[in-house]
Amino acid sequence: DTEVTQTPKHLVMGMTNKKSLKCEQHMGHRAMYWYKQKAKKPPELMFVYSYEKLSINESVPSRFSPECPNSSLLNLHLHALQPEDSALYLCASSQDAAASTDTQYFGPGTRLTVL
Amino acid sequence: AQKVTQAQTEISVVEKEDVTLDCVYETRDTTYYLFWYKQPPSGELVFLIRRNSFDEQNEISGRYSWNFQKSTSSFNFTITASQVVDSAVYFCALSEFSGTYKYIFGTGTRLKVLA
Repeated sequence: DTEVTQTPKHLVMGMTNKKSLKCEQHMGHRAMYWYKQKAKKPPELMFVYSYEKLSINESVPSRFSPECPNSSLLNLHLHALQPEDSALYLCASSQDAAASTDTQYFGPGTRLTVL
Repeated sequence: AQKVTQAQTEISVVEKEDVTLDCVYETRDTTYYLFWYKQPPSGELVFLIRRNSFDEQNEISGRYSWNFQKSTSSFNFTITASQVVDSAVYFCALSEFSGTYKYIFGTGTRLKVLA
């Protein structure tokens, strides 16, 4: 079962709101990822968690705060976002980010609109 | 620096035509992995194939086939007898090690299959 789930599917928030995106996988994967994708662009990596520890932060602004409560769950906490942060946010998981053979499996994404 | 180029921004074909999506990559590594993903309008990236640099055999899966040529640093993807359901954006990606493995994505090719 190669399924990664994400909630909510759509989110509209104001610039002063605080919200969270959630991602879950039950494939026993030990690496999880957040990507941001703008229209007509490829996904841009934001964060990588490997064995529940943050291993990559691609210089993401602090208004995005990731959290990995356990190996199956990944959250992205949002606070004081800007309209340019509106995008599709994709979560992915993979077996082991330290392995070159690693294949990432993606969730359906959350379409975020910041007003 | 590692790089993936998908020179075709958008391709339109009529149903049942064959279509080839090009992917050219640059890497200093001798061992590396290449991937193709499909992103339908729903947004989820669907994994199609992974190929390692030591295996230059072509791969066929139903109507899909892949041609990997190390000599020209290309990993092209052909859809035979295209169908409307093949309409999507297709991304080629290269796995890069930077403390952990992450993807370098191409810019994607939007394929429109017309009925």
